[in-house]
Parts: sequence; structure tokens; C-alpha cells
Amino acid sequence: AQSVTQPDIHITVSEGASLELRCNYSYGATPYLFWYVQSPGQGLQLLLKYFSGDTLVQGIKGFEAEFKRSQSSFNLRKPSVHWSDAAEYFCAVGSNSGYALNFGKGTSLLVTP
Amino acid sequence: DSGVTQTPKHLITATGQRVTLRCSPRSGDLSVYWYQQSLDQGLQFLIQYYNGEERAKGNILERFSAQQFPDLHSELNLSSLELGDSALYFCASSVGQGASETQYFGPGTRLLVL
Repeated sequence: AQSVTQPDIHITVSEGASLELRCNYSYGATPYLFWYVQSPGQGLQLLLKYFSGDTLVQGIKGFEAEFKRSQSSFNLRKPSVHWSDAAEYFCAVGSNSGYALNFGKGTSLLVTP
Repeated sequence: DSGVTQTPKHLITATGQRVTLRCSPRSGDLSVYWYQQSLDQGLQFLIQYYNGEERAKGNILERFSAQQFPDLHSELNLSSLELGDSALYFCASSVGQGASETQYFGPGTRLLVL
């Protein structure tokens, strides 16, 4: 069964600094990969997704992610973090044989002035 | 705003009670998913419906049940509630039913069982 690991529970970055959130997946075939963001008291908002093709995916709010099959990773990046990016970030994986998404435990991002 | 609505936003009840959570999907979406988010388990898939029919089951307890009505809204019924059922329950919707479909999440219903 597919699974997702987000190794970092909490990450703190300074405003304006670059960001990379790690996501590793376990799945035999090419998975469907997603990054969602959850702001306090809000639902989950899709940042970006990867199904196939170009391994560098652009998303909303200036985020991008790179699919690396050899490392089973789908890390999320942003070149310059804004205070409004403070939130919980979830990586999720789906398969073409299923319907639901498997989510990682999430990474909580704190942005300092 | 994702277009997915959930009611109520908050629910406080006692152990042993039964509650119903409601979800209205985005206009045009045929699939509805239910997820439970708790501190210890994280985000867990419960169940999915597509155009009124159950399509997939995840870690849903026997005390929980769901249905999708002809107007495509869905209800999640939780009975014989226990303290451990306290969680945030999300509904999501998508146009189709495959895992490649983008799921749009509602704001959630926060359930507190006392």
C-alpha cells in the first residue's frame, strides 16, 4: 500500500528565506502526488499536484515541487517565504487503483520576522 | 473558499450520543469523501461516495456510517460516541472518482465528545 512520510514535524524559517519541506512516498508505480496547505481553522487547500510529465511542478502562492523517482521524494519549495505562509503542510499520495488520498502527518511551518 | 460546505462548524456532545455531519459538494462534483483529522492519527480517509453509491472504505468504524443523497449532498453519522471520536471531520469533493482527481476540501466540522 502507498504511504507518505514527512520527516519534519516542525520547521522554522525567517521571513524572506527559502523553504524546502520534505516528502517521501512508498509506492510501486508512479503515484499521484499532492501538496495541501491548512491554515489555522481552515480546510485544506491544494497547492500543487503531480501526475506525470515534467518533474518540476509549479503551484499557487509561489510554491513548486520536484518529483524525484530515484529518491521517492516530492519536496515542496519556495524561494522566499512570507509571514502568511505559516501553516500546516500536508503531502498526499494517491494511486490509480484507489480513490482516496493517503496523507503524511504534516509539517508545521513557523515564519519568524 | 473551495465551494464545499459543511455544517455544523462545531459540535459538542456527550459519550454515547449520535450526531450527523452534513456536507454539500461543489457544484458539478459527483464524488464526496470523508476524512477524520486527529492529533494522534493525522488525516485518515473514512469513506467515499460517487453519484450516490459507496465507492471506497478506509478506516471507518462500524459505529460510523454515511450516505450520499440524490442531490449529491452527503451525511456522516457517528453513533455511540466515545471520547476518542473527538476530531476534525473533513468532507472533500471531486468531479470524478479516481485518485487522480483533485479533491476540494470543506472547512471541516470540529467534534468534541465530553
